[in-house]
Amino acid sequence: TQLLEQSPQFLSIQEGENLTVYCNSSSVFSSLQWYRQEPGEGPVLLVTVVTGGEVKKLKRLTFQFGDARKDSSLHITAAQPGDTGLYLCAGTPGDNRKLIWGLGTSLAVNP
Amino acid sequence: DAGITQSPRHKVTETGTPVTLRCHQTENHRYMYWYRQDPGHGLRLIHYSYGVKDTDKGEVSDGYSVSRSKTEDFLLTLESATSSQTSVYFCAIRTKNLGPYTFGSGTRLTVV
Repeated sequence: TQLLEQSPQFLSIQEGENLTVYCNSSSVFSSLQWYRQEPGEGPVLLVTVVTGGEVKKLKRLTFQFGDARKDSSLHITAAQPGDTGLYLCAGTPGDNRKLIWGLGTSLAVNP
Repeated sequence: DAGITQSPRHKVTETGTPVTLRCHQTENHRYMYWYRQDPGHGLRLIHYSYGVKDTDKGEVSDGYSVSRSKTEDFLLTLESATSSQTSVYFCAIRTKNLGPYTFGSGTRLTVV
């Protein structure tokens, strides 16, 4: 069974702090997506990474895909209360089977 | 943005009753999906569709059926609701195979 493990499961920080969340697997993925979900809403796509070693930036968010395409990280600089939400990673396995979802990291940024 | 609407947003129903959830999209995308989201289990695929009358089972399809008679509508039916089907249900579309998902706002279903 292919799994995507996200860590930490929960994170509560103060406004202005930096943080990193991780998405790890023993399997290779042809691409990996990060989503953010706010309470009462569906997940919203943040970024897709497809190349090993790729780094993408979205304002204060930096996404990295591991060289071996088995893991990814999301780094947030100077977190703000608006960053609060559930961060989900989802990967497309190398054999192009259905999308595999992580369980998410629940982030709370306190003012 | 792809317009995707789920209805109802909230529903409480009794055990043993049939329930139908609706997902409507406005842009004729081919791929549509039904997920449920539960604490500790994350998002789990129930059923999906690759086109009109072309549907298939996901990982947690028992107790659920779907229909897609028009491109824009994907219906999820709980034949006889059970308490284990209390969950938040999300519909999603994909603009292309293996592309990213666009999700609806979800339906919170409570089976009492």
